[in-house]
Amino acid sequence: NAGVMQNPRHLVRRRGQEARLRCSPMKGHSHVYWYRQLPEEGLKFMVYLQKENIIDESGMPKERFSAEFPKEGPSILRIQQVVRGDSAAYFCASSPIPSHEQFFGPGTRLTVL
Amino acid sequence: AQKITQTQPGMFVQEKEAVTLDCTYDTSDPSYGLFWYKQPSSGEMIFLIYQGSYDQQNATEGRYSLNFQKARKSANLVISASQLGDSAMYFCAMREGIGNQFYFGTGTSLTVIP
Repeated sequence: NAGVMQNPRHLVRRRGQEARLRCSPMKGHSHVYWYRQLPEEGLKFMVYLQKENIIDESGMPKERFSAEFPKEGPSILRIQQVVRGDSAAYFCASSPIPSHEQFFGPGTRLTVL
Repeated sequence: AQKITQTQPGMFVQEKEAVTLDCTYDTSDPSYGLFWYKQPSSGEMIFLIYQGSYDQQNATEGRYSLNFQKARKSANLVISASQLGDSAMYFCAMREGIGNQFYFGTGTSLTVIP
């Protein structure tokens, strides 16, 4: 039973480009969460999605960031017009039901040059 | 106020000794869950142990145990018989009620000395 998959593991972008981060939850999990970890800090919640629905995006920056979890395929976190401050590790987690332990993927490390 | 506070940025422990990593939390919700994760230098987040607010006994998982003191709102992680492979960042996290997100502390870097 594969765990949470994230790709790419490392992503380098220049300022102004777009970054797309993918997350495939564990089999049987329909709840996906995205977190951001800035250097030397803990993880900060960004968004919670179920299939085709954004349930809670209270942690998402108001501009340039969006997330989706389509009926088919992985969840995507999209960052438009990246800036240096977006450099961080982005973790995806999944759970079979809400209020359950969240299983984390290996993270995507985004570096903006 | 911070939901999760980890006051020890770095800790050192001798191999085979026990070590306690501190975590205090802040919530007014009577139902909550407390979690500890390990993040080695490779970067992944590894679940270690869980304690529910209504659990009567302290959680244990192998060499990991959680010293849960509800009145003090503390959930310290105890690692017994430390091993070199325990060197990593350790994060305490909380979920409130049936909330969607986990709140994480800033982490404690543990170094096990041979």
